[in-house]
Amino acid sequence: DVKVTQSSRYLVKRTGEKVFLECVQDMDHENMFWYRQDPGLGLRLIYFSYDVKMKEKGDIPEGYSVSREKKERFSLILESASTNQTSMYLCASSFRSGQGASNQPQHFGDGTRLSIL
Amino acid sequence: SQQGEEDPQALSIQEGENATMNCSYKTSINNLQWYRQNSGRGLVHLILIRSNEREKHSGRLRVTLDTSKKSSSLLITASRAADTASYFCATGAFTGTASKLTFGTGTRLQVTL
Repeated sequence: DVKVTQSSRYLVKRTGEKVFLECVQDMDHENMFWYRQDPGLGLRLIYFSYDVKMKEKGDIPEGYSVSREKKERFSLILESASTNQTSMYLCASSFRSGQGASNQPQHFGDGTRLSIL
Repeated sequence: SQQGEEDPQALSIQEGENATMNCSYKTSINNLQWYRQNSGRGLVHLILIRSNEREKHSGRLRVTLDTSKKSSSLLITASRAADTASYFCATGAFTGTASKLTFGTGTRLQVTL
């Protein structure tokens, strides 16, 4: 079975701190994704990566950056945490599919509930 | 922007009954996927239906897709308490570099004994 592991289930940080969320997958997936989930808003894509060192902005990238130095690891960075970044953060991975081909199912970690005080 | 909108937002049924959730979307898609999320956990992929398919089954799950109406439905037959979860539809598109899913806001299903 695919395993996507997020480093922390719960995290509490202070406003202005630099925050790192880590995600590791063990299925050699090319694609990795970071979402945030808020009540009433569903999942919103922050950033994704389709290869090592490659990244693309999602729908809400402001205030975030990412790093993918190795294929299995995708990090989300909050450059200067703010209270409006309090949320559930979900990492996912999938195989790559080409243009015109069906998207591959995404496999999710259990999430990090981040509170910014 | 949200592509998929689920309806209803919440659904409460008794064990043994069928549960139907609907999803509407706005633009052309390659495929539509359904996911389940148990409370406090990540999402789990349930089923994928391609744009050229009209119906798909997996165990107690039945998914339909009507591309002319830009809508899909998920039917769970003979529901169980363990089916209590939130259900999300997600539409797939290709950005030019990667495949991206856009999720709806979900339907919360409560199955009572």
